[in-house]
Amino acid sequence: QSVLTQPPSASGTPGQRVNISCSGSTSNIGSKTVNWYQLLPGTAPKLIVYADTRRPSGVPDRFSGSKSGTSASLAISGLQSEDEADYYCAAWDDSVNGAVFGGGTQLTVL
Amino acid sequence: EEQLLESGGGLVQPGGSLRLSCAGSGFTFSSYAMSWVRQVPGKGLEWVSRITGSGDTKFYVDSVKGRFTISRDNPVNMVYLQMNSLRAEDTAVYYCAKDEGGWLPGRLWGQGTLVTVSS
Repeated sequence: QSVLTQPPSASGTPGQRVNISCSGSTSNIGSKTVNWYQLLPGTAPKLIVYADTRRPSGVPDRFSGSKSGTSASLAISGLQSEDEADYYCAAWDDSVNGAVFGGGTQLTVL
Repeated sequence: EEQLLESGGGLVQPGGSLRLSCAGSGFTFSSYAMSWVRQVPGKGLEWVSRITGSGDTKFYVDSVKGRFTISRDNPVNMVYLQMNSLRAEDTAVYYCAKDEGGWLPGRLWGQGTLVTVSS
């Protein structure tokens, strides 16, 4: 059971917009910034959103992050086949004095 | 070019020990906290440990407290994870990562090293 809650799966067709949610609490998302990572099989995690809403250079602007209260969300617009991957949210948690990850969301592009 | 390179993974028996190493290059190593994150095959990501840039403050996930020790040697740009009393559930790919804002792993990750705990 992860501290941050994500839906286990999400899907969309090419060109669609999908949203992946990440629910936490006041000790993590509610008071700390959220990062999002993309994980492809056999590769290291890739940072795609940091500090709730910011994108590292090189990440397409199709990816966007938002946060409200104790929940965060990753939106992917103009879905492409190469977006098919697992996505994880993460935040520091003051109650456990450590970083916590969501359980991950497997995105399928139909 | 910034780079992290892990080494030290392998097969170890339950109760055994292993030390993972992570070599950093291309950035001012001592200025950044570093983390270890693991992924059990077929499962999700789990943060394991974090050490500040100076090495004076360390954090651990509860499941490894008392068994794992994170350390660093800034003059040679290395961070280590000493793993003792290993259990089957510690089997995972271990990544080191450079922390950036929010006390979280940022853009730079190593390629990962596989630790298998099995008899």
